[in-house]
Formats: sequence, C-alpha cells, structure tokens
Amino acid sequence: NAGVTQTPKFRVLKTGQSMTLLCAQDMNHEYMYWYRQDPGMGLRLIHYSVGEGTTAKGEVPDGYNVSRLKKQNFLLGLESAAPSQTSVYFCASRLAPGDYNEQFFGPGTRLTVL
Amino acid sequence: GDSVTQMEGPVTLSEEAFLTINCTYTATGYPSLFWYVQYPGEGLQLLLKATKADDKGSNKGFEATYRKETTSFHLEKGSVQVSDSAVYFCAFDNQAGTALIFGKGTTLSVSS
Repeated sequence: NAGVTQTPKFRVLKTGQSMTLLCAQDMNHEYMYWYRQDPGMGLRLIHYSVGEGTTAKGEVPDGYNVSRLKKQNFLLGLESAAPSQTSVYFCASRLAPGDYNEQFFGPGTRLTVL
Repeated sequence: GDSVTQMEGPVTLSEEAFLTINCTYTATGYPSLFWYVQYPGEGLQLLLKATKADDKGSNKGFEATYRKETTSFHLEKGSVQVSDSAVYFCAFDNQAGTALIFGKGTTLSVSS
C-alpha cells in the first residue's frame, strides 16, 4: 500500500515550457487535491476533484489545469510555466469529507522555473 | 471568509520545554479541526483532530482542545523533543466539506 505518490520529485523548467505532475493513490479515495506551498503562505489549494471525471477550482487556479480521467490519478498541468510557479507542489487524497476521514499527502514535487 | 490564523514562528525551544502553538479560526458553523505536521523534506501528516466542541485530540504527547466559545484549537505539548522539530499546520474543513483550509504554518525548532 503506497498511499499517495507523486512524480517527479524535482523538476527545473524554463519560462514558457510545459509539464505535467502526476499524483496517484491506491486507497480508492474519491477526493483528490493539488496544493502549492510557498514560504510564509502555507498551503494554498490549486484545484481539486470530488470523483472520477470531475474537477473544480481552488484558491489559486490560474495558470494550471487538471484532469481526473481515472479515479486513482490526478494530473496537474502547467501549459506555459512562469517563475511565479516556482514552488513545492503537494497532492492529497481523502476518502470523502467527514469527521473521521483523514486527508493523506504525497511527498511533494519541488518545481523551479527559471 | 473562512480562515485560520496561527501564531507567527519560528518557535525555538530547548528540549523538555513546554510548547503552545496558538490557532484561531473563522468559519461558518462548527467544523472538524485538525493539526497536521510536516517534517523536513516530507509531506504533511495528520497529528490530531477534534470533531466537536470540547473534544480533545491527542497523539504523540500533543494535545489540542476544540474551544467553540473562543474559536480556538491551540496545540500543546508538555515536554518537547528534538525530534518534534517540524512545521505545524492548523486546519479545518470548508463549509462545503470539499477541502481543508490551512493556516500558514508554524515552524518549531527544538535544540538539545
């Protein structure tokens, strides 16, 4: 049981390049999330999904797109990377909202945009 | 809107000192409250939670009590260890129940 995994762990991009971050979970969770973590800003929600085939915008969605074609995978895309997108990106999953349902996090992807 | 306010860090303590990290929240209704911990180079993991007023969550010597009247969920530990050095995040479910709202995090550094 791997939990939540993220690929890649590190990446360096040049401004204008595109890339996709992959998140996978093997816990059959319905909800999945993408956050970014920046110094002094805490975690900010980019996009989330409440089930296969669904996506929704979070607090800071601009410049990102997501897809949830399979229940276990949640992809985060940057079509034209900008230096402001330099951050650590975390994926998370949760069985469903509820008092006893813990949100599990992946180990993070450190992205640098030059 | 919904938000979480945590005390500014970093917090620097000696081993065996008492720890308090303050957390207050602004929310509609009475959401479940959580503390998450992030060790260096890792993702976040759940430390403890409380689901209703006056509940006390506890784990690994850490405690926090859900105070509805003061909308607070302060994290405490009686005797910290070097291994407790990490970033601590207070959080709660948004009103729609679709996502957690996090505070900005408090960095704790414990020296021997």
